[in-house]
Amino acid sequence: GDSVTQTEGQVALSEEDFLTIHCNYSASGYPTLFWYVQYPGEGPQLLFRASRDKEKGSSRGFEATYDKGTTSFHLRKASVQESDSAVYYCALSLNNNNAPRFGAGTKLSVKP
Amino acid sequence: ETAVFQTPNYHVTQVGNEVSFNCKQTLGHDTMYWYKQDSKKLLKIMFSYNNKQLIVNETVPRRFSPQSSDKAHLNLRIKSVEPEDSAVYLCASSFSNTEVFFGKGTRLTVV
Repeated sequence: GDSVTQTEGQVALSEEDFLTIHCNYSASGYPTLFWYVQYPGEGPQLLFRASRDKEKGSSRGFEATYDKGTTSFHLRKASVQESDSAVYYCALSLNNNNAPRFGAGTKLSVKP
Repeated sequence: ETAVFQTPNYHVTQVGNEVSFNCKQTLGHDTMYWYKQDSKKLLKIMFSYNNKQLIVNETVPRRFSPQSSDKAHLNLRIKSVEPEDSAVYLCASSFSNTEVFFGKGTRLTVV
């Protein structure tokens, strides 16, 4: 079935470090890909999305590029801040009756 | 700004009890969902409801059932809770499986 794999369960960084969270997907069709962020006590909220091969999504300094060849949508940020500490989810959605599927989530902790 | 409203925020109950959680969305979306988030933060789809069509994740136990009065409301009922039901239940909505908007969740603790 359709699925998303995030390889990092937890990432610990210091402020101004470079962030990469890996996301690979498996889908029967041509999915829309998303990155969501969840802060404590809140539901996940959309960071950004991408719908086509080579499309770059970005928001708040975070970015990811849709790569159909490697079936990837890796999240990157050049310089993280303590306020970026949260859980990040990669997700996919197909234009069918199936609900969006989420990866296992990556907990990012940033030390000041 | 939250547009998917869930009540209650927290609920503690004993094994075997029945519980019901409410969800309302004010976005005019045509699809609503219930997700379960476990202690490891795994998000798993339980149900999706679109135009009176219910899609059930086959792994969801039968004691769980969604209840909808209209396309803006999708409640979740658990007939006889078990310890493994302790989790955060997240309601969400979207236009036909595009971007999903989540509520803040209901944290269930079964003692």
